[in-house]
Amino acid sequence: QSVLTQPPSVSAAPGQKVTISCSGSSSNIRHNYVSWYQQVPGTAPKLLIYENNKRPSGIPDRFSGSKSGTSATLGITGLQTGDEADYYCGTWDSSLRAVVFGGGTKLTAL
Amino acid sequence: QVQLVESGGGLVKPGGSLRLSCAASGFIFSDYYMSWIRQAPGKGLEWVSYTSSSGSVIYYADSVEGRFTISRDNAKNSLYLQMNSLRAEDTAVYYCARDFLGAAADFDYWGQGTLVTVS
Repeated sequence: QSVLTQPPSVSAAPGQKVTISCSGSSSNIRHNYVSWYQQVPGTAPKLLIYENNKRPSGIPDRFSGSKSGTSATLGITGLQTGDEADYYCGTWDSSLRAVVFGGGTKLTAL
Repeated sequence: QVQLVESGGGLVKPGGSLRLSCAASGFIFSDYYMSWIRQAPGKGLEWVSYTSSSGSVIYYADSVEGRFTISRDNAKNSLYLQMNSLRAEDTAVYYCARDFLGAAADFDYWGQGTLVTVS
């Protein structure tokens, strides 16, 4: 199992808001920045959020990130069918001296 | 534009070896930390290894420590992953990725991936 815990799946209707959680520990999320990735099956992951809440250029502000304690959250507002993908959180684990990812969350726009 | 192109994947028998390459272009390769990240069929992302911009700092996932070796040639703008003693569980698509902040987990560019099958 993954060091970071994500729900296997989430769903919402187009136009609605959805959140994806990422739970970790003091050795990873609490003291390190969290990033989020979107992966459409068959393609490489795409960076959505870095340093907990910053968006790379070209990423719409419908995507947001936050962190509190040992958990992080990705928020997507105005859900679109094109947002259907797998989403992963990632961070550095200071104890493992390793990059760790969550197991991934499959987002479905109902 | 930034490009990362992996090569070297293929079918190999258990216990065999393979060397992956990642050719970088469109940026100053020697300025960036780089990582290898893999994804087994139908599974999530698993970080494999990273190297600092100079190659002086290297880390490995426990699952590959002692079997895989990451290296880079900044003069050739290339990243490598030497994989020895391969196991069935190493079967995956292997991506090289650029860590644009040098903080280890911020990958802004990824290659298209190269498939390694151990069977």
